[in-house]
Amino acid sequence: DTGVSQDPRHKITKRGQNVTFRCDPISEHNRLYWYRQTLGQGPEFLTYFQNEAQLEKSRLLSDRFSAERPKGSFSTLEIQRTEQGDSAMYLCASSWDTGGGSPLHFGNGTRLTVT
Amino acid sequence: GENVEQHPSTLSVQEGDSAVIKCTYSDSASNYFPWYKQELGKGPQLIIDIRSNVGEKKDQRIAVTLNKTAKHFSLHITETQPEDSAVYFCAASWSGNQFYFGTGTSLTVIP
Repeated sequence: DTGVSQDPRHKITKRGQNVTFRCDPISEHNRLYWYRQTLGQGPEFLTYFQNEAQLEKSRLLSDRFSAERPKGSFSTLEIQRTEQGDSAMYLCASSWDTGGGSPLHFGNGTRLTVT
Repeated sequence: GENVEQHPSTLSVQEGDSAVIKCTYSDSASNYFPWYKQELGKGPQLIIDIRSNVGEKKDQRIAVTLNKTAKHFSLHITETQPEDSAVYFCAASWSGNQFYFGTGTSLTVIP
């Protein structure tokens, strides 16, 4: 399977702990996106990369969140000092886009539960 | 920023009937409009998309229409089948930058 893979699928953590998620995009894709989805809502944009450059970050994203995409391949999303409100599904998506808009290919997400 | 509204939030249809889901967007600069289907425990999967230079696109039982003047676009599913039951999301984007998603429509096809 050469789709987008995310690890872990589920993560339970105590409030105040740090967590890190990994996303492996489709190998030839240049763009990588992180979204957050809560129950009954659509995906909410967090940030995206073109190759290794982080091009945009949501204003809603607190400074406890950081994302990296070293060498333009896999990406990590870290949440520091987790809060109960961080409980959500974290989705990663990738695309090959040269500026005209291309479909996002999503992984199956990492479900985070903060207790 | 862009605001995408989606209606209805839930939709039940008899197998074989048609289903229509509607979305509106606020930013006239948006030029790419994909639709996604999400099944329980999985990420959204693209089912069809349309660009702003096209008014309608069809792929077998699925069609999308776009009215740029009114800033709305719709998903049409004909001859619905039980396996069409899922949550559907519309989205709007300007050239593949941020994608803004609607709040979803839970479609149930009753056999």
